[in-house]
Amino acid sequence: DQQVKQNSPSLSVQEGRISILNCDYTNSMFDYFLWYKKYPAEGPTFLISISSIKDKNEDGRFTVFLNKSAKHLSLHIVPSQPGDSAVYFCAASRPSGGGADGLTFGKGTHLIIQP
Amino acid sequence: NAGVMQNPRHLVRRRGQEARLRCSPMKGHSHVYWYRQLPEEGLKFMVYLQKENIIDESGMPKERFSAEFPKEGPSILRIQQVVRGDSAAYFCASSPPGTPGYTFGSGTRLTVV
Repeated sequence: DQQVKQNSPSLSVQEGRISILNCDYTNSMFDYFLWYKKYPAEGPTFLISISSIKDKNEDGRFTVFLNKSAKHLSLHIVPSQPGDSAVYFCAASRPSGGGADGLTFGKGTHLIIQP
Repeated sequence: NAGVMQNPRHLVRRRGQEARLRCSPMKGHSHVYWYRQLPEEGLKFMVYLQKENIIDESGMPKERFSAEFPKEGPSILRIQQVVRGDSAAYFCASSPPGTPGYTFGSGTRLTVV
């Protein structure tokens, strides 16, 4: 049962344009969402996060939007750069307590920035 | 300040052998998490530990897998009697208390032959 879904395994975007990566979740208990970026043979690195009390968080070229009613979030990268080519994972967490503090990850979207 | 250190980076084991994966969290981080990434899959939560305590092992296979985080030394993920299906990348992450996001290590790629 996939609680966090990234339905696009890959996405190709031209350099300089906007990249939009999508993520859907099913568990309404999730209250914190994160995006991680992963290069081959490296561990994921934290990119940006958003709490469920917000609908937008911006950090430089990266903006995450959260639509709680639709259980949907998206990551916008603008302008896209060649170094953005990587696999992007969406992750979600529930409120702490009860000991279950693990993140639930989607399967990832491979973003390819074309020159 | 070194990041999360995992070793070895690559580990090859024959079927039936034991695999030991080590993880040293970032300085000041008392929470350690282990994740597994199978080919073409996302990261799957395995276990969450604090010093000398397993907090949540709901993602651990019931048999052959164990984890510890002793008072001194790194966290260890141990897989006994490995099978081909255990071949995967195993990532460790650490965080300070009360932080939902964490820092990952570079992973250990286990290959069972």
